[in-house]
Amino acid sequence: KNEVEQSPQNLTAQEGEFITINCSYSVGISALHWLQQHPGGGIVSLFMLSSGKKKHGRLIATINIQEKHSSLHITASHPRDSAVYICAVRSPTGNQFYFGTGTSLTVIP
Amino acid sequence: DGGITQSPKYLFRKEGQNVTLSCEQNLNHDAMYWYRQDPGQGLRLIYYSQIVNDFQKGDIAEGYSVSREKKESFPLTVTSAQKNPTAFYLCASSSRDRANYGYTFGSGTRLTVV
Repeated sequence: KNEVEQSPQNLTAQEGEFITINCSYSVGISALHWLQQHPGGGIVSLFMLSSGKKKHGRLIATINIQEKHSSLHITASHPRDSAVYICAVRSPTGNQFYFGTGTSLTVIP
Repeated sequence: DGGITQSPKYLFRKEGQNVTLSCEQNLNHDAMYWYRQDPGQGLRLIYYSQIVNDFQKGDIAEGYSVSREKKESFPLTVTSAQKNPTAFYLCASSSRDRANYGYTFGSGTRLTVV
């Protein structure tokens, strides 16, 4: 069983739709990261969360430590949001990261 | 601007040859990591290093070697012992300062062995 589970695995949306990607984890963590990987391959860190909620532009990330669950929301989705979104959790010691297998998002104009 | 530089972006090698992938960071991060990504799969940890002159094996270290002689640099050598080296390789670094838990990735190197 993976330490980090993401859903859905694939997601197709129409431009303008509200999108939610979910992440559940089974280990203790010191922080949770949401990452974005574009087709070129490079990965960008979108958010780092240890509690509550963060917002950056049209992106919102929330975490519920008690339920070991995080969500990434995209409001007013746009084709340029098409990418793979990866949830990663950091171990309590800070030394190790565990990754979900990613959610592939395609936003259609 | 601070960041991680991986080079080259694309690399082709003949089977049986060793090849070294470069990773340099100017973020003053203590920890550095090498991951491998295969199509349709998540990131898998090859090696990581928390401090200079020290590194630890990850989940798939067989056929790989690393060094950490400088804080800024963490090169990965893919040896001829790696049975299936064609993959996308990502280097990352992180801060151990809990007040600033940065986690940054390079742009990756796509290695093709022919």
